[in-house]
Amino acid sequence: GAGVSQSPSNKVTEKGKDVELRCDPISGHTALYWYRQSLGQGLEFLIYFQGNSAPDKSGLPSDRFSAERTGGSVSTLTIQRTQQEDSAVYLCASSPRRLAGTEAFFGQGTRLTVV
Amino acid sequence: AQSVTQLGSHVSVSEGALVLLRCNYSSSVPPYLFWYVQYPNQGLQLLLKYTSAATLVKGINGFEAEFKKSETSFHLTKPSAHMSDAAEYFCAVRVSNFGNEKLTFGTGTRLTIIP
Repeated sequence: GAGVSQSPSNKVTEKGKDVELRCDPISGHTALYWYRQSLGQGLEFLIYFQGNSAPDKSGLPSDRFSAERTGGSVSTLTIQRTQQEDSAVYLCASSPRRLAGTEAFFGQGTRLTVV
Repeated sequence: AQSVTQLGSHVSVSEGALVLLRCNYSSSVPPYLFWYVQYPNQGLQLLLKYTSAATLVKGINGFEAEFKKSETSFHLTKPSAHMSDAAEYFCAVRVSNFGNEKLTFGTGTRLTIIP
């Protein structure tokens, strides 16, 4: 596709359930980022992938959060045993290979609501 | 580790007045700096970026920013505000550090335009 695609766009889940959020980066982009944006808050960094490896996982808030990337393309962010404080918009971004001066391109996000 | 500070979570200016949104960064290596804009209920899009080619950077919609190393700043300006400029603005820093190209955002500044 032409841009970063995230699915689903909206997700409502019950507290305690597991959820999977998907990100399809722009073709050929090897850097991939996940962020969390809570209501009225800034962008909280979660994890950064370069290819299939994650040089920086420092932003994952707890061991309930995990992410993987396969084939250097699609990434999945998994939240286990969801809590109400996990409600937020989860944003994915990608950028070209090892070019720190190029911008990251963002998807439209997945709005997660935990009830 | 790099970081970004945006002074003023909310800024209000009159239509036609100067817009000044402040961003200061911290980095132990030469940074790449970005300004993104998020319009209501939309994704993030790039306004402009600094990649060391020129210290004064011009972006879309009449915005510009000046990189000042001595002040570790990258403030965003626009000479004359339009109603359509009302949005949330995010400053971001990215460095290349032993294969880790984490992109770190500030907490954002919400710009309101007064008619």
